[in-house]
Amino acid sequence: DAMVIQNPRYQVTQFGKPVTLSCSQTLNHNVMYWYQQKSSQAPKLLFHYYDKDFNNEADTPDNFQSRRPNTSFCFLDIRSPGLGDAAMYLCATSTTNPRAKNEYNEQFFGPGTRLTVL
Amino acid sequence: AQTVTQSQPEMSVQEAETVTLSCTYDTSENNYYLFWYKQPPSRQMILVIRQEAYKQQNATENRFSVNFQKAAKSFSLKISDSQLGDTAMYFCAFMTTEAGNMLTFGGGTRLMVKP
Repeated sequence: DAMVIQNPRYQVTQFGKPVTLSCSQTLNHNVMYWYQQKSSQAPKLLFHYYDKDFNNEADTPDNFQSRRPNTSFCFLDIRSPGLGDAAMYLCATSTTNPRAKNEYNEQFFGPGTRLTVL
Repeated sequence: AQTVTQSQPEMSVQEAETVTLSCTYDTSENNYYLFWYKQPPSRQMILVIRQEAYKQQNATENRFSVNFQKAAKSFSLKISDSQLGDTAMYFCAFMTTEAGNMLTFGGGTRLMVKP
């Protein structure tokens, strides 16, 4: 089945130790998103890629970076994780240009990676 | 800027009964979509139901239906014949098509269906 896959599902890292989270998709969608979701809170968009065009949200810390080497894969790099970065990280995909007007844009979510920072 | 508010952090319902989750939003846009997403424990978020703002008819998907009141900016979700598998976090979300297609989520309602 076509889907959005996130690996690993659970990741433990140490304070300040770089960590990379992975997302892959078999939907062949041109847009991929990364959200941060802290406990019992709403998902917060960090950034998205429209094809290779990277779009950072204004309040996303510099500590968070992303790479998209091809259509199927997208990575979230946290350069120096702090205790406040412990959260669930959700990847999502969609087919349409998120900046285009009057185009509906359903997002399909992966299961998330729960990051623990020790 | 758009805001989405879910005033019920937690709710519970007995199996087979009906429950309504509330959502209000604020926007100055005229064209937009509203969504309810379901996030079961340790599982991925899935779309439950979608409503286009230009449609007056309330959306329905099997046991799930919405009460969309555009003038009041209210978008509630009704779950009929609640099942144990409905236990999840439910997020109301907003998307405007006039200024970027980003989702704005409410804070979520944790629903527990009791046997």
